[in-house]
Amino acid sequence: EPEVTQTPSHQVTQMGQEVILRCVPISNHLYFYWYRQILGQKVEFLVSFYNNEISEKSEIFDDQFSVERPDGSNFTLKIRSTKLEDSAMYFCASSETQETQYFGPGTRLLVL
Amino acid sequence: AQSVSQHNHHVILSEAASLELGCNYSYGGTVNLFWYVQYPGQHLQLLLKYFSGDPLVKGIKGFEAEFIKSKFSFNLRKPSVQWSDTAEYFCAAGDSGYALNFGKGTSLLVTP
Repeated sequence: EPEVTQTPSHQVTQMGQEVILRCVPISNHLYFYWYRQILGQKVEFLVSFYNNEISEKSEIFDDQFSVERPDGSNFTLKIRSTKLEDSAMYFCASSETQETQYFGPGTRLLVL
Repeated sequence: AQSVSQHNHHVILSEAASLELGCNYSYGGTVNLFWYVQYPGQHLQLLLKYFSGDPLVKGIKGFEAEFIKSKFSFNLRKPSVQWSDTAEYFCAAGDSGYALNFGKGTSLLVTP
């Protein structure tokens, strides 16, 4: 069964550094998403992406964040200058239509 | 404001006990409802979903959920839990747009 994959599984970075989190969505899916889960809190929506542009974003997704689909398979989330409060588990998801989203295993980001 | 709430944060059951996890949503108009499960060390997996039709939805691994519109609820049930059901359970809602709105999750521990 096809799955969403994410790399790396863990990332440790210094405050102020840039990080890029990578996702490979399920191959025939057209809609892509990023969510995050700060430890002990609920999963929060960050952004959705369709047809090479952002279709919706939350208040969390400020100018420090960007997304890109650099080729036909990868979908990336970039945090330009990380802050301590960016420490979280970041989940990528994809869907064929806008109905059911399938999630990847997550990248645990720790900002020191 | 749109929201999803899960009332039980931690549940401990013995094997073979029955399970019911509460989920309430606050949405105007059409809503799609989901239950996701996250086993220890694994990613979010879709258990079941409701879009329309029969309000009693059957999912994988013997789980079911009932959509009760008048109560704005979508409770998850399983008649007899197993040790392998130990996991975090998330209720989520969306309105056929992009963002899924998650509840805070319920941590289920099933003891032998």
